[in-house]
Amino acid sequence: KAGVTQTPRYLIKTRGQQVTLSCSPISGHRSVSWYQQTPGQGLQFLFEYFSETQRNKGNFPGRFSGRQFSNSRSEMNVSTLELGDSALYLCASSLEGRQETQYFGPGTRLLVL
Amino acid sequence: QQQVKQSPQSLIVQKGGISIINCAYENTAFDYFPWYQQFPGKGPALLIAIRPDVSEKKEGRFTISFNKSAKQFSLHIMDSQPGDSATYFCAASKPGGGNKLTFGTGTQLKVEL
Repeated sequence: KAGVTQTPRYLIKTRGQQVTLSCSPISGHRSVSWYQQTPGQGLQFLFEYFSETQRNKGNFPGRFSGRQFSNSRSEMNVSTLELGDSALYLCASSLEGRQETQYFGPGTRLLVL
Repeated sequence: QQQVKQSPQSLIVQKGGISIINCAYENTAFDYFPWYQQFPGKGPALLIAIRPDVSEKKEGRFTISFNKSAKQFSLHIMDSQPGDSATYFCAASKPGGGNKLTFGTGTQLKVEL
């Protein structure tokens, strides 16, 4: 069974630009969560989508947004990039109601210059 | 507000020794406590998890000890091996929170020969 895939794996952007990251969950998983990982702040929850609806949101500014498609694939978008947005962005998918089935993808490494 | 505090930040253990990582939480609503293992360049992988109705859970060389009254839980790695060298994160989630995880700050474990 294929794992969670994230594209692209690496990305370099400049301040002020926007970026879109993609996540394909494990087949059958309808819940997709996004996390930001930085050396200073660790792993922080961004948001969770289930059945194309956002049902949880972390404490991030409105520049961070996401969506989920009918096939459960998800995208997150960051607009007006700041240097502090440089991070590893992780996507995790899981079966509904089965937290122990939450699997993470390898992440997208974003560098903002 | 850091809801899950993890210690130590780094740990060096000799091969065959016991690695112990501790976490403390503040929110008594948390009811699911997983531990994740992360290797460089990879996403976190679920190692073992526990719910508050048991005080200990063992899977192979990995054991979680849980103290509900103290609001603390710990990971014990028995017979530590060089291949266990990784970063370990504790986490917690609560009912109604979907799959949102609140993570500890991580512990870098190095197992020396």
